[in-house]
Amino acid sequence: GAGVSQSPSNKVTEKGKDVELRCDPISGHTALYWYRQSLGQGLEFLIYFQGNSAPDKSGLPSDRFSAERTGGSVSTLTIQRTQQEDSAVYLCASSLGGVSGELFFGEGSRLTVL
Amino acid sequence: AQSVTQPDIHITVSEGASLELRCNYSYGATPYLFWYVQSPGQGLQLLLKYFSGDTLVQGIKGFEAEFKRSQSSFNLRKPSVHWSDAAEYFCAARARSATNKLIFGTGTLLAVQP
Repeated sequence: GAGVSQSPSNKVTEKGKDVELRCDPISGHTALYWYRQSLGQGLEFLIYFQGNSAPDKSGLPSDRFSAERTGGSVSTLTIQRTQQEDSAVYLCASSLGGVSGELFFGEGSRLTVL
Repeated sequence: AQSVTQPDIHITVSEGASLELRCNYSYGATPYLFWYVQSPGQGLQLLLKYFSGDTLVQGIKGFEAEFKRSQSSFNLRKPSVHWSDAAEYFCAARARSATNKLIFGTGTLLAVQP
């Protein structure tokens, strides 16, 4: 597609369940980012991929969070044993790479943990 | 630690009035600077960016921003606000070193009254 695609757009889950969020970046974009947006907290960096490797995963809040990217394209963010504080909008962005490259954002996946 | 501060959480202006949204950054060296806008139900869109050179940067939708090194600021301005400008605005910065992490401020929510 023309833009960054994320799925699901909305996910409601019960505390303790695992969830997977998917990001399909713009074709040809080598860099991919995950951010978390919580009410009043702005955008919190989670992880950055260059190709299939993650040179910066410093923002992952706990070992319940993991992400992978395959084929230099699609990425999956997995949250295990979800907690209520994980409720947020998870945003994915991609770019051509390079420090000055513009990030293009998807519309996000809204996660609600009951 | 690297940080971006947006001191105004919420601003209301009248349609046709001028607008200035404040942004301050804390980095060891001047970072790349960005302003993004997030309209309800939409992804983040880049308004403008500053890399180097002219400190007054023009962006889309009639927005401009001025980089002031002495104040570590990158304030966003618009001479005449339209009702469609109501949205949340995020300032962001990225170090010029190898890291690609884009750090966001907490955002300023703009309301426009008739």
